[in-house]
Amino acid sequence: QVRLQESGPGLVKPSETLSLTCAVSGDSINIHYWSWIRQPPGKGLEWIGYIYYSGTTNYNPSLRSRLTISLDTSKNQFSLKVNSLTAADTAVYYCARGRSAYNLWGQGTLVTVSS
Amino acid sequence: QSALTQPASVSGSPGQSITISCTGTSSDIGSYDYVSWYQQHPGKAPKLIIYDVTNRPSGVSDRFSGSKSGNTASLTISGLQAEDEADYYCNSYTNNTTLIFGGGTKLTVL
Repeated sequence: QVRLQESGPGLVKPSETLSLTCAVSGDSINIHYWSWIRQPPGKGLEWIGYIYYSGTTNYNPSLRSRLTISLDTSKNQFSLKVNSLTAADTAVYYCARGRSAYNLWGQGTLVTVSS
Repeated sequence: QSALTQPASVSGSPGQSITISCTGTSSDIGSYDYVSWYQQHPGKAPKLIIYDVTNRPSGVSDRFSGSKSGNTASLTISGLQAEDEADYYCNSYTNNTTLIFGGGTKLTVL
């Protein structure tokens, strides 16, 4: 059974950098596209970006300057870094499998940006 | 890039059919057949119910169907059931190789 599991801090201070990891089990990270999507409390979904196993990345233009998505093939996981955080980055962050259709999702992790 | 436009809410009675629209532009929905739809129940992760405009993943009820005309994609749910009450989101590929979601539609089963 394929499973995605996000991990990272639940609380981060403004101006700091958020680091999240998505561990993939039951599937190889060397096959698919892998994406990050977020959802502010009570609001809709926002596409953050994706990475392909080749290392190719693509980011939301509105976030691009603050984002890095990377792969760790030795651990079968991928990661998201968002720097210069503000309260507007408070959201549930989901990792998902796919580029234009996300057929598998993690359960999501709530990240709150607050001092 | 602005979000795709969805109605904030729709409602229907059990057994009825409803349609949720998702309007974009010639730079996204109008140019690509990479439209997907997601169902999200409160507190849960979204679930893929339609991909590539019309295709259903294995295990998704055939009561869910998708279509597209011009810059607008649509999700139709037939034979409404209480368990269909949820938020629904559309998503499309765009001409600058990025992806964009709709604002979401809350479906109420009366």
